[in-house]
Amino acid sequence: SQKIEQNSEALNIQEGKTATLTCNYTNYSPAYLQWYRQDPGRGPVFLLLIRENEKEKRKERLKVTFDTTLKQSLFHITASQPADSATYLCALESGAAGGGADGLTFGKGTHLIIQP
Amino acid sequence: GAVVSQHPSWVICKSGTSVKIECRSLDFQATTMFWYRQFPKQSLMLMATSNEGSKATYEQGVEKDKFLINHASLTLSTLTVTSAHPEDSSFYICSANAAGLHGYTFGSGTRLTVV
Repeated sequence: SQKIEQNSEALNIQEGKTATLTCNYTNYSPAYLQWYRQDPGRGPVFLLLIRENEKEKRKERLKVTFDTTLKQSLFHITASQPADSATYLCALESGAAGGGADGLTFGKGTHLIIQP
Repeated sequence: GAVVSQHPSWVICKSGTSVKIECRSLDFQATTMFWYRQFPKQSLMLMATSNEGSKATYEQGVEKDKFLINHASLTLSTLTVTSAHPEDSSFYICSANAAGLHGYTFGSGTRLTVV
């Protein structure tokens, strides 16, 4: 069956350091992979999407890599700040069609804590 | 940017009653919307896909007669939890994908507590 695995244990990082989160998947051949941020009691907020033919994608202090051979994506936050503390979710579209026609399958998320 | 409005943000109901949750796309039209459920410390689980003008499609294990979905317009989908029981208590979240935008936009979620 299709699985998305994230280390759901809390990740504590000192302010100013780079936080790196991992997403591994099995039994998928995704055209692209997405990362979301979720704060307690709120819906997820879209951060980045990376396509299978892209090795790396950046947005401000965020960087995502995508290795379809390893079936893994890494999510980096550089110069981390306490305001970056949240749960970060990795997601793949459920169907093969892609393009927004299918819902998402999420990993459990990694709870990131940036300590001042 | 695309905005999805969901309400109520929280609701408490008695066991056996029904609760309706609304999801609106405010600045775009959504032929398809999605409903998720999230239990504490768990991931979001897709419940169903809401299709404008046609029947919703439900994920395996989700009772269509219990979770009624209506998508009567291009900007509104509703989820009705019928004959709610305490085990239905959860965080329900809707989302939509605005054409031309990458990523999905989510509502702020509805915390349902059945007592």
